[in-house]
Amino acid sequence: EIVMTQSPATLSVSPGERATLSCRASQSINSNLAWYQQKPGQAPRLLIYGSSTRATGIPARFSGSGSGTEFTLTISSLQSEDFAVYSCQQYNNWPPMYTFGQGTKLEIK
Amino acid sequence: QEQLVESGGGVVQPGRSLGLSCAASGFTFSNYGMHWVRQAPGKGLEWVAVIWHDGRNKYYADSVKGRFTISRDNSKNTLYLQMNSLRAEDTAVYYCTRDISSSWFDCWGQGILVTVSS
Repeated sequence: EIVMTQSPATLSVSPGERATLSCRASQSINSNLAWYQQKPGQAPRLLIYGSSTRATGIPARFSGSGSGTEFTLTISSLQSEDFAVYSCQQYNNWPPMYTFGQGTKLEIK
Repeated sequence: QEQLVESGGGVVQPGRSLGLSCAASGFTFSNYGMHWVRQAPGKGLEWVAVIWHDGRNKYYADSVKGRFTISRDNSKNTLYLQMNSLRAEDTAVYYCTRDISSSWFDCWGQGILVTVSS
């Protein structure tokens, strides 16, 4: 099983500043990584797939990068609505065994 | 618009069974692989099971293999999860979700809470 590890567990950032979230895979997953945003009491929302492609309707301040085992989600200028939990997910293996990271909580500093 | 709506959750005793449903609308359900993903209280997301668009192939997380069964009825645009031999650790919000090319999940239901407790 591919284990996904996110860091940090909690990130405190001020509005308008940049946030950088990390996700590491226990083995290479090429670029087969997605990022999700989840607010309290809501379902996850797809942000990024293929490591760096923004999903439909996602603002340009969200960007993803990385390949292999190291991945980053960057939010360039935090808006109030961006404070949430962010999770990464890999979809590289066969037979299908999708795994998520444990999440990074982005909170207001 | 594209929508997934789960139903069937509730409180169930350990060892008992419960079935979940997910009604799809706004898209061609039979074109997509469908999954169940769960989230225990205060925890991260955990993938549970997938069923191919035509229902021919199904795969499960090790934690539920042999106890849970995923199925679908494309004529009714509905996804199902039959959960048997439930354990306290199955307590979670269960989401149905649609995949794109057996990869990422682009459409999610609102989730339904299942509580396993005596």
